[in-house]
Amino acid sequence: GQQLNQSPQSMFIQEGEDVSMNCTSSSIFNTWLWYKQDPGEGPVLLIALYKAGELTSNGRLTAQFGITRKDSFLNISASIPSDVGIYFCAGLRLITGNQFYFGTGTSLTVIP
Amino acid sequence: ETGVTQSPTHLIKTRGQQVTLRCSSQSGHNTVSWYQQALGQGPQFIFQYYREEENGRGNFPPRFSGLQFPNYSSELNVNALELDDSALYLCASSWSGRNQPQHFGDGTRLSIL
Repeated sequence: GQQLNQSPQSMFIQEGEDVSMNCTSSSIFNTWLWYKQDPGEGPVLLIALYKAGELTSNGRLTAQFGITRKDSFLNISASIPSDVGIYFCAGLRLITGNQFYFGTGTSLTVIP
Repeated sequence: ETGVTQSPTHLIKTRGQQVTLRCSSQSGHNTVSWYQQALGQGPQFIFQYYREEENGRGNFPPRFSGLQFPNYSSELNVNALELDDSALYLCASSWSGRNQPQHFGDGTRLSIL
């Protein structure tokens, strides 16, 4: 299957700091999604991206669809304790069908 | 707007048994996808259902099967359970259209003894 590599694997930051994480692949993707998953719950959709170069914001979150179409980035500004969780990227390659491929996740811990 | 709901929330089975997991899609969504999420991993695509037919399948054996009903709800059936089937099973629904964002339920935690 497709490999989506997320980095960093985990992050420990102080409350108020900005956060950056990314998702890379050797293949071109047509759609990128970013999700957050809390323990015991399903992933919650944060941002959807459809065009290379697209930059989309959702409150303190901003995500970009990489120009090469092989990567995507998620930034969180002014982190707060409730940002704690695991962040997943997911990509769709129309050429391979209907499935979204998920990354390995970035675990975020915010220290008050 | 009603979100994706899954049942049961937890289930314990033994090797060789069969299990059925259920999913009600979000209001207005006609496409349902199922994922398996092992501990510490990202979700892995099992298959998708649209118009009551399988519409794409990941790298899972035939003992993983599904159904979609006219009201768009769906079932995931797993036969001959193995220890490695222990995981969180997630259902996601979306509008038709291949790149539509998927909205997830909270999953069923399946433990195989």
